[in-house]
Amino acid sequence: NAGVTQTPKFRILKIGQSMTLQCTQDMNHNYMYWYRQDPGMGLKLIYYSVGAGITDKGEVPNGYNVSRSTTEDFPLRLELAAPSQTSVYFCASSYSPVLAVNGELFFGEGSRLTVL
Amino acid sequence: RKEVEQDPGPFNVPEGATVAFNCTYSNSASQSFFWYRQDCRKEPKLLMSVYSSGNEDGRFTAQLNRASQYISLLIRDSKLSDSATYLCAKGTYGNNRLAFGKGNQVVVIP
Repeated sequence: NAGVTQTPKFRILKIGQSMTLQCTQDMNHNYMYWYRQDPGMGLKLIYYSVGAGITDKGEVPNGYNVSRSTTEDFPLRLELAAPSQTSVYFCASSYSPVLAVNGELFFGEGSRLTVL
Repeated sequence: RKEVEQDPGPFNVPEGATVAFNCTYSNSASQSFFWYRQDCRKEPKLLMSVYSSGNEDGRFTAQLNRASQYISLLIRDSKLSDSATYLCAKGTYGNNRLAFGKGNQVVVIP
C-alpha cells in the first residue's frame, strides 16, 4: 500500500524561489494536513483540509498556500522562499471525521527543504 | 502557554531499565490524548491512545492525570529498538486537528 506519498524528498531552494510540495494519498481519506517540523521542535500545523474544495489555516500559514481539487491530492505551495522556511514538511491524512477519538494520522515520509 | 509541552531530554536509559516521561497540556475541556513515536529522520506513527482509565500495550503504559493536566508514558524493560522520539498529541472534540508537543527523545544505552 502506498499510503501517503510526498515529493520531492529533498530540495534546496534559493531565497525568493517558489516551489510546490506534492502530497497524494490512496486511502480515500477526506482529511489532509500539512505540518512542518524544525529541529528539536514538534509538529506545527500549516494548513489542513476536510475535503475537496475546502482548506483552512493552521497555526503557521504565512508564506504558504494550498489547494484541494481532489480527494487524493493536497499540494503545498511556497511562493517566495525564505530561510525561515527551511524545515521538514510532513503531509498527513486521516480517515476519521472524529480525529479526536482515534488520533490516527497517517504521515508521509517527509520533504526536507533547505532555503539558502 | 503552548497547548502541549514536553521536556525534550534526551532521556538516556540503560537497556532493561524503566523510563517515564510526561507531557503537560492546557485547557482540558473535551480533549483526547495520544502518544506518537518518531524514529530518527522518519515520519511519526501512532503508538497508543491515552484513556482516562490508563492504557497498557505490552511494555508501554500511558496514563492521563486530568487534575494535574498531564499525560505520561512509561516504558518497561527498555530495548535498544525503543530509541526514538515520543511525541504527545492532543485532539479536541469538534476540531479535526491534533496539536503536538516537541517530543521526548529516548536513547537506550547497551
